[in-house]
Amino acid sequence: QKEVEQDPGPLSVPEGAIVSLNCTYSNSAFQYFMWYRQYSRKGPELLMYTYSSGNKEDGRFTAQVDKSSKYISLFIRDSQPSDSATYLCAMGEGGKLIFGQGTELSVKP
Amino acid sequence: KAGVTQTPRYLIKTRGQQVTLSCSPISGHRSVSWYQQTPGQGLQFLFEYFSETQRNKGNFPGRFSGRQFSNSRSEMNVSTLELGDSALYLCASSSLGLYHEQYFGPGTRLTVT
Repeated sequence: QKEVEQDPGPLSVPEGAIVSLNCTYSNSAFQYFMWYRQYSRKGPELLMYTYSSGNKEDGRFTAQVDKSSKYISLFIRDSQPSDSATYLCAMGEGGKLIFGQGTELSVKP
Repeated sequence: KAGVTQTPRYLIKTRGQQVTLSCSPISGHRSVSWYQQTPGQGLQFLFEYFSETQRNKGNFPGRFSGRQFSNSRSEMNVSTLELGDSALYLCASSSLGLYHEQYFGPGTRLTVT
């Protein structure tokens, strides 16, 4: 079993939809949780960063961490075609940084 | 501010050879991390250097090594290349380290034949 599980998709939604991306993990020691966005042929860019549990909002993006369920989510409101990319969750602690496989998202105009 | 740069962008090597990849971080960033990205395994953390010292290391064999210079530039070396080392190698720089905001470079695409 992988330490971090992420549904690879692909996920296709119409423009304006709310998108929910999720990751589960098995290592209860993880304290740092991140979401990255990666466009084709580019390096990943950090979208959201959370330490420990809770919610964090930044514009159209909301990140949630539920440590009791070992589950993290990224919500994208009013999705745009420019949001079409691969979204990677990442988490770590104690020298480890583990990425999910990435979810490929396509937002159709 | 200039972003993270990586050289070369593309590289073709033969099995058994060694290769050195270079990464120049954002000015002022002291942390440089390296990653391997493949379709099968996804993005995997190799190691992090901070102020010339290796601070964290992922689960890769000793054939993968790195170093960081006093100007924060970093190099990654892979010896005795295997076909499975074909991947996109990404480096990222940060002012604070592995668990904080990292800025990724465009990557070096390594093909081993």
